[in-house]
Amino acid sequence: KAGVTQTPRYLIKTRGQQVTLSCSPISGHRSVSWYQQTPGQGLQFLFEYFSETQRNKGNFPGRFSGRQFSNSRSEMNVSTLELGDSALYLCASKDRAKGEKLFFGSGTQLSVL
Amino acid sequence: QQPVQSPQAVILREGEDAVINCSSSKALYSVHWYRQKHGEAPVFLMILLKGGEQKGHDKISASFNEKKQQSSLYLTASQLSYSGTYFCGTEVYTGNQFYFGTGTSLTVIP
Repeated sequence: KAGVTQTPRYLIKTRGQQVTLSCSPISGHRSVSWYQQTPGQGLQFLFEYFSETQRNKGNFPGRFSGRQFSNSRSEMNVSTLELGDSALYLCASKDRAKGEKLFFGSGTQLSVL
Repeated sequence: QQPVQSPQAVILREGEDAVINCSSSKALYSVHWYRQKHGEAPVFLMILLKGGEQKGHDKISASFNEKKQQSSLYLTASQLSYSGTYFCGTEVYTGNQFYFGTGTSLTVIP
C-alpha cells in the first residue's frame, strides 16, 4: 500500500499570499488530520476530517481552513500568510476501524518571506 | 492541554538506557508514542489505552499511569537507530483530537 502523500514537498511564499497544501491518505483511510510543526512547539493540531466532515478543530485563526473530498483526499488552505506561518505541515491518516494509529506523510515545508 | 515531555534532550552512548516522560493535566483515554528522524515523517511506536497496560516493542516499552496521567517510554540497550525526536500524543477521550508534546530529542552516540 502506498503511504500518505503530501504535495508539494517545499513551498516558498511571501507575506499576504495564500497557499493550498494537498494530502492523499492511505487507501481505505477516511480520517485525515493536519498538524503544524515548528521548532520548540512540537506538533500543533490544526483539524481533522472524516468522511468530508470536519470533526475536530485546533486553536488556529480562521485563516487556516481545510476540506476533504469524497475520495478522502484533503487540502489545507492558509490565506493572508504571515511570517509565523513558516513551518512543516504534516498530515496523517488513520483507519478508525483498526484503531487510532496515525500514519504521517513527509510533510510540506512552507517558508514565508 | 499540550502534554509536557521531559527531558527535552538526552544524549546516550550505545547500550545505555533512557526514560522519556509525558505528563498531562487532563484525565487521559490514550497515549501514543511516535519517533521522528530528521527530515522524515513521525512513525508510530505504540499506543497505551486507559487501564495502565504496559506495552513492549523490541527493546522499547512504555507504561501508562492513569492516576498520575503520566506515560513513560523506556529505551533499553539503546542502538544508533534509536536517535530521533520522540513525541507523545494524548487523547482525552476516543475520537478526540490529539495533543502532542513538544518532543524529546534523543541522540545515541557510538
